[in-house]
Amino acid sequence: AQSVTQLGSHVSVSEGALVLLRCNYSSSVPPYLFWYVQYPNQGLQLLLKYTTGATLVKGINGFEAEFKKSETSFHLTKPSAHMSDAAEYFCAVSAGGGNNRLAFGKGNQVVVIP
Amino acid sequence: GAGVSQSPRYKVAKRGQDVALRCDPISGHVSLFWYQQALGQGPEFLTYFQNEAQLDKSGLPSDRFFAERPEGSVSTLKIQRTQQEDSAVYLCASSFLLAGGPEDTQYFGPGTRLTVL
Repeated sequence: AQSVTQLGSHVSVSEGALVLLRCNYSSSVPPYLFWYVQYPNQGLQLLLKYTTGATLVKGINGFEAEFKKSETSFHLTKPSAHMSDAAEYFCAVSAGGGNNRLAFGKGNQVVVIP
Repeated sequence: GAGVSQSPRYKVAKRGQDVALRCDPISGHVSLFWYQQALGQGPEFLTYFQNEAQLDKSGLPSDRFFAERPEGSVSTLKIQRTQQEDSAVYLCASSFLLAGGPEDTQYFGPGTRLTVL
C-alpha cells in the first residue's frame, strides 16, 4: 500500500520568501508522486509530478520538487512566494500498474503574509 | 476545452435520504475515479472505473454507497440512507489513458459538497 505524510497543516510564509512544503512517502513499489493545489471551491489542479527519469521536477507557477529515494521524500519548493500562492497543497502517491488510485496526504494550508 | 464537471455543486440532505451525485468526465477519458474529502483532510479513494467496468470499489465505506458508469462516460455516485458522517466533498477525476501509464494524469472536477443534517 502507498501513503504520504505531510507535516504541519498550516504554513505561513512571507511574500517573497522561500516556500517549502515537506512530503514523505511510503510505497512497496517504485512510486509515482504528485503535488496538487486546491483553491477555495475549486477542484484539485496538478502542479507537478514525478514518474521516472530526472529527479528534479519543475511544475507550473514556479514550483519544483525533488524526488529523493534514499530519504523517501518529495518536497515542494518555490524560491519566492506570491500572494496568489495562498491555497491548500496536497502531496499524493500512486503505484501505477493496473490502478492509478491516488493516496493523498492531509494537506498544507499555505498563508502568504504581505 | 471543457474540464470535469460535477453536479450539484452543493447538496443538503436530511439524515436517511438518498442522494445522487453526477460526474461528467472530460470527453474521451477512459478512467474515472471518485474520492471523498472530509473537512480538513486529504481526498480518499472510493472507486475506479475503466470505461463502464468498475474495477476497484475497495474504498467505498459501506454498502450504502454505490457507483455506476453504464455507458462509459457519465458516472453517478449514489448514497442511500445518508448519515451525518457522509458529510464531505465528493470529488470526481478522469484520465485519458488506461490507468497505469506514467502520463496518466488525473483531472479533477470542482466537487460536490454534501451536508447531511
